[in-house]
This record gives sequence, C-alpha cells and structure tokens, in this order.
Amino acid sequence: QVQLQESGPGLVKPSETLSLTCTVSGGSISSYYWSWIRQPPGKGLEWIGYIYYSGSTNYNPSLKSRVTISVDTSKNQFSLKLSSVTAADTAVYYCARDPGGDYYDSSGYLVGYEPQYYFDYWGQGTLVTVSS
Amino acid sequence: EIVLTQSPGTLSLSPGERATLSCRASQSVSSSYLAWYQQKPGQAPRLLIYGASSRATGIPDRFSGSGSGTDFTLTISRLEPEDFAVYYCQQYGSSGALTFGGGTKVEIK
Repeated sequence: QVQLQESGPGLVKPSETLSLTCTVSGGSISSYYWSWIRQPPGKGLEWIGYIYYSGSTNYNPSLKSRVTISVDTSKNQFSLKLSSVTAADTAVYYCARDPGGDYYDSSGYLVGYEPQYYFDYWGQGTLVTVSS
Repeated sequence: EIVLTQSPGTLSLSPGERATLSCRASQSVSSSYLAWYQQKPGQAPRLLIYGASSRATGIPDRFSGSGSGTDFTLTISRLEPEDFAVYYCQQYGSSGALTFGGGTKVEIK
C-alpha cells in the first residue's frame, strides 16, 4: 500500500520560502507523477503543480513564478518550495500521486507516458501557517 | 483557466435518499480529465470517480459519475451514514491548469 507523508516547518515568516518534503513509502516514486495541492482553512482545494520522476514539471500558472518542485529518487521523496509567502499561502498542504498512463498517437502507437490528472493516493496533509 | 461551479453548495438529505451533485464548467472539459473526490473533516480527499464515470478502486457502486462537455454529475444512489461529507469535482484543461470546484457539502437532514 502506497503511503505519502508530508514534512516540514509548520510556521513560516512572510516573504520567506516555504519548504516541504513528501516521502513515498510502500512503492517506488518512479513511473508516476507527483503533485502538491493545498487547502486554506475552511476553503477549497488548489493544485500547485506536479513533477514526473524524471524531473519534468508542470506548475499552476497562477503560482508558477514562486513554485519549484523537485524530486530525489534515491530517497523516494519529492519537495516543494514556495517563495515570497504571504498570509494567503496559509493552508494545509497535501502531496498526492497521479497514476499516469500510456499515451498513444492517432495510429494507436505507444508514444509515451503522461499524467492522468487525477490523484489516487494522498498524504494526510500538513498545516503551514504564514505569520511573523 | 476553466472554472468549475458546483451546486448546490449544501445538500440536506436523510440516509437512504439519493444525492445528485452537479459540476458545471465554464468551458468544455474532456471527460477523460474530470474527477470527483470525497473529503471528510480533518482528512485528505479520497478519489471516487475519474474519467467522469470510472469508479476508483474500492469505491462502492452506489457512487456513479456521468456527464460530458460542461455538465457533470455525481450521484449517490442511497446515502449511507459514512457518505455525509464534502464532495469536489476536478478537471484538467488544455491551458495547463488543473482546477477544483468549490465543493458541495452533503449533510444529514
């Protein structure tokens, strides 16, 4: 059974960089896509971005200028850095897995592997508060 | 960016009743990239439906998804006590943005 666990500081000062790590256990980080998603207290969900185990990334355009997601396959971990944080970045931060799937061209030939853009495994979430 | 609007905001029903949740997109969404999640207080969301109508592993068959284009529906045929929760729809669009709806809370009447 795949398990994800977020870790990192629960309190970050305004203008500083929020840093979180997600450790994957019960399975390999390889061959899947991995995302960060956040949820401000009492509000809805916001996707931050994803990374493939190879290192390719895709970020939410609204956060792209401040986000960096990286992967360390040797540790079965991936990480989030969000710079220049404000109180609006206070949220529960989740890491999650996108199972990915084979991608075929119009002729039916296998072209590669792509995200499926849904999340089948989630971490329990970690609350990060931005405050001085 | 595609905006997903979920309705109603709150649905008050009794156990055993049928729940119908709506998710409307501001522009057409590929059915392949429409998913539904259930979230209970203090817990992470749980995947229910992907590809608009495919049930995730271990999800009871009382949960079903349907729809296409801009209108999608999650139906819970007979509410069990454990089904009272908040439900979110989610899509991925060609603009490169993955977005969630605002959620529908299903509460006990």
